[in-house]
Amino acid sequence: GAVVSQHPSRVICKSGTSVKIECRSLDFQATTMFWYRQFPKKSLMLMATSNEGSKATYEQGVEKDKFLINHASLTLSTLTVTSAHPEDSSFYICSARTRGLAGMGEQFFGPGTRLTVL
Amino acid sequence: AQSVAQPEDQVNVAEGNPLTVKCTYSVSGNPYLFWYVQYPNRGLQFLLKYITGDNLVKGSYGFEAEFNKSQTSFHLKKPSALVSDSALYFCAVRVRYGNNRLAFGKGNQVVVIP
Repeated sequence: GAVVSQHPSRVICKSGTSVKIECRSLDFQATTMFWYRQFPKKSLMLMATSNEGSKATYEQGVEKDKFLINHASLTLSTLTVTSAHPEDSSFYICSARTRGLAGMGEQFFGPGTRLTVL
Repeated sequence: AQSVAQPEDQVNVAEGNPLTVKCTYSVSGNPYLFWYVQYPNRGLQFLLKYITGDNLVKGSYGFEAEFNKSQTSFHLKKPSALVSDSALYFCAVRVRYGNNRLAFGKGNQVVVIP
């Protein structure tokens, strides 16, 4: 199956710094990428959807200036958590979707990034 | 909007016994249904999906699920559970020609007791 990678897998940073997380589709082109946030033993919360070359669409309640998403190519999307605070500590998962009829391409998930803000 | 309900928080089962994880959905169109499994500190792994055709879908690691349109359910099953099946299981739904987003259930923790 298709592979989605995330880097880094784990990051610890000081409060007030910015952290960038990369998401790559390794063997396919992803027209759409999704960023999710997951709290311990909870479901995935969709943060934003990004299409290559266009601005990301953020879900209600997600601050776009706080969580900057760039989908520069068909294989790379980045999430930057700006001025991170301890409450931003979470598990962030990206997902990449292939092309498909009527937008119904397959969706594959990255392994996740554990962010801890001190 | 589509939604998924996984009514139980945790499912405990003895090793070797049948495992069932329940899922019901609500959509306004034809559903595409998925099951994913997540191990600690890992991303989601695809188990199986229903798109169309046979209501009984077979997936990875011996899992299967049955699509029941009248009951709007898509329960995940495995005839004989293994300790290694202990993980978090998510049911998800997408709508054809809808907003194409996956809506996830809250997840079920499965604990297989040796």
